[in-house]
Amino acid sequence: KAGVTQTPRYLIKTRGQQVTLSCSPISGHRSVSWYQQTPGQGLQFLFEYFSETQRNKGNFPGRFSGRQFSNSRSEMNVSTLELGDSALYLCASRPSGDIYEQYFGPGTRLTVT
Amino acid sequence: GENVEQHPSTLSVQEGDSAVIKCTYSDSASNYFPWYKQELGKRPQLIIDIRSNVGEKKDQRIAVTLNKTAKHFSLHITETQPEDSAVYFCAASRSNAGNMLTFGGGTRLMVKP
Repeated sequence: KAGVTQTPRYLIKTRGQQVTLSCSPISGHRSVSWYQQTPGQGLQFLFEYFSETQRNKGNFPGRFSGRQFSNSRSEMNVSTLELGDSALYLCASRPSGDIYEQYFGPGTRLTVT
Repeated sequence: GENVEQHPSTLSVQEGDSAVIKCTYSDSASNYFPWYKQELGKRPQLIIDIRSNVGEKKDQRIAVTLNKTAKHFSLHITETQPEDSAVYFCAASRSNAGNMLTFGGGTRLMVKP
């Protein structure tokens, strides 16, 4: 099976702009989670989607939002970008049921200038 | 919420030696504990995990132990090789509350040939 894919892989944006990142989970996986990775804060949970519904949300401002489509693909959006939003954004997918393993995509490196 | 602490933050060993990384968690309801390996510029890769109904799990040179009473779990790597050099992250989650992983701060393992 193909792994988790994310697009774009690299992105440079200006403060105040907005950005949309995309994640395609492993075929058959219905849950998608998003994480932010920075040198200072490490890996932090943003939110999780399952069957097009947000199931959990981390401690991030409302500028961070996401959605999931019927084919399980997910997008996350960050509005009014700030310099501190520069990070590696990772998504992870997991099958449903009693399988807990999550598999990460390669991430999108976002740089805000 | 859950809090995961990981020690040490850096670990340098000689090739062939063993390496041990320790994590503690705060939420007694957490029941799933994965370990991820992240090489420079790459995605986190799941290397081993353990559920709370098991005390120890081994996979070749890697083992994880869990002490639910003390709320800590450890990663053991035996016969280390230079390709084991990477950043290792522990995480904890409550499987019945979605897929939110709370990560430790990471351990940079360096294996010297």
